[in-house]
Order: sequence, then structure tokens, then C-alpha cells
Amino acid sequence: NAGVTQTPKFRVLKTGQSMTLLCAQDMNHEYMYWYRQDPGMGLRLIHYSVGEGTTAKGEVPDGYNVSRLKKQNFLLGLESAAPSQTSVYFCATTGRIVSGANVLTFGAGSRLTVL
Amino acid sequence: AQSVSQHNHHVILSEAASLELGCNYSYGGTVNLFWYVQYPGQHLQLLLKYFSGDPLVKGIKGFEAEFIKSKFSFNLRKPSVQWSDTAEYFCAVNSGGYNKLIFGAGTRLAVHP
Repeated sequence: NAGVTQTPKFRVLKTGQSMTLLCAQDMNHEYMYWYRQDPGMGLRLIHYSVGEGTTAKGEVPDGYNVSRLKKQNFLLGLESAAPSQTSVYFCATTGRIVSGANVLTFGAGSRLTVL
Repeated sequence: AQSVSQHNHHVILSEAASLELGCNYSYGGTVNLFWYVQYPGQHLQLLLKYFSGDPLVKGIKGFEAEFIKSKFSFNLRKPSVQWSDTAEYFCAVNSGGYNKLIFGAGTRLAVHP
């Protein structure tokens, strides 16, 4: 999916380490989201952003921080990684909503393991 | 809180069998409903969506879903599955602002030749 790029694709961390996941989109979308995917639990929203300079909490925000300094980038940070944050992280984007709802475009995912 | 329930966590079928995956949501107001598919090792892709109008929605690859408001359901169907349909299927609902989606736990489908 060339429109939404996530880096890195894989990362192994030790408990207590910090890291940042980058989501970059070239579709000029206003809205960006970070989800985590865990077996048997589907995707859960961590944080989202409705525009440059704005962020908001989703369902499971604890232990994560985000920033949207540029419209095309949405960063997800783990200040002190914990084994419970072992997961696959997906970024998604969509354009400004005119009415109803929009379809999300997903990135390829970032697999994070915390030992 | 809004929620989405997918009743079948694992489904195993033979090729040419018919498929129906259940999805129920808890929100009673106006909803927008989606089915996404995740093929092995790939990202999520939209299979089909319901925003309004005809409650029988057709998507890609021969899939369809029926929105039944009285039952809070949006079940996914395909008359004859193929091996290439092996994937994980997620039902999702968007009923709040900012297009936030609530996903079900997913159904992992395995189709044997």
C-alpha cells in the first residue's frame, strides 16, 4: 500500500526501552489513527489525530504517546516498553469526512516484540 | 460502550462450500458498517461497506453482506469459497465522530482445497 508507509516493520525491544513508530502518508489525508492488533481481540484504537497539531485518545492509550507535527506524519511513541505492548501496530488514514463515514486506508503494520 | 461481536473465531471450510460469518453490534443509532479482510502477511483491505440505502451490500471477490437493523447484525456471506479466501475477516462499526472504527475480534477462515 504505497499511500501509507510504516517504519520500522519489525522491532524487538527490551522492557523499559523507548522507541517511536512512524506513519507517513502521501494522500493529503486529514485523519490518522494508530491501532494495535492482538490475537482474539481484533484491532483497538490507541490514539488518533484529526489534523496537524491535534491528537486524541482512543480505547487503549495508556503507555503510548503520539505527535502530529506535520500533516503527513503521525508518530507513536513508547516511553518505557512493557511486554504487554507486544503487538502488531497498524496506522490508518482517511480524508476529511463530509458526511457519514469514510473508508480507512491501512499501512502494512509494524510488529513489535518486547522482551 | 459500543461493541462488535463476531461469533465465529475460527471457521474451516472446503472449497465450494458456502460461507456465512456473523457480526452483531451494540449501538442503537445510525451506524456505518464495514467488513475488512486481512490476507496472510498483508494489511487490512476493505471488503465491503454499508452507509445507507439497500441493506444488501455487494463487495469485492463475490462477497456480500446484509444489514438487518432490527437484529443489529451485518453478516458476511459468500455462496462458494475458494482457497484464496483463506484470511482473517473483521467486522467494524463507525457510529461516533471522527470516523473511529470499533472492530470485532475477527474470524480466521481456512479454506481447504
